[in-house]
Amino acid sequence: DAEITQSPRHKITETGRQVTLACHQTWNHNNMFWYRQDLGHGLRLIHYSYGVQDTNKGEVSDGYSVSRSNTEDLPLTLESAASSQTSVYFCASSERTSGAYEQYFGPGTRLTVT
Amino acid sequence: GQSLEQPSEVTAVEGAIVQINCTYQTSGFYGLSWYQQHDGGAPTFLSYNALDGLEETGRFSSFLSRSDSYGYLLLQELQMKDSASYFCAVLNQGGKLIFGQGTELSVKP
Repeated sequence: DAEITQSPRHKITETGRQVTLACHQTWNHNNMFWYRQDLGHGLRLIHYSYGVQDTNKGEVSDGYSVSRSNTEDLPLTLESAASSQTSVYFCASSERTSGAYEQYFGPGTRLTVT
Repeated sequence: GQSLEQPSEVTAVEGAIVQINCTYQTSGFYGLSWYQQHDGGAPTFLSYNALDGLEETGRFSSFLSRSDSYGYLLLQELQMKDSASYFCAVLNQGGKLIFGQGTELSVKP
């Protein structure tokens, strides 16, 4: 069965360190997204990609970067982790156009920056 | 800018009907989606409305009025397992979903 996975599921890191969160999907979807979820803020879009070599900034992109070298993966990098980036991170994917309203979410990564 | 408003909490009893409202302000509106999230797990898709009117999927229905920038999710025959957070999300012309802050539904016996 097709799926979307994230790793690690839990991560504790120190302020200033670089951290990369992995996202892998086997749906063969063109669109992939990264969100963060904090209490009182719902899901906020960090970065997104509509295909290989395509990346775009979302509403809360400062301090984050992504790269898309193949269809299946969209890793999220925190260049220099800050305590404000402590959050739960969700990766999602969707079909390019007809299914854009239906995103498939991964299980999430809980990141703590100390 | 873009914004969505939905109640932060709703409580209902098992077997009852509950309606979760969502109002939005956005440009380039394509449609309104609804997602369910249990205990901080992966959000899962429930329904989508691109046109005005009611869409029914089993016990869940979703309504949209584009002229009023308003929609709602209707849950019937509530069950304990329906206790979760529910998010409305606007699909904009860029193919992105903009999520509301979520409504926490508590179903009591």
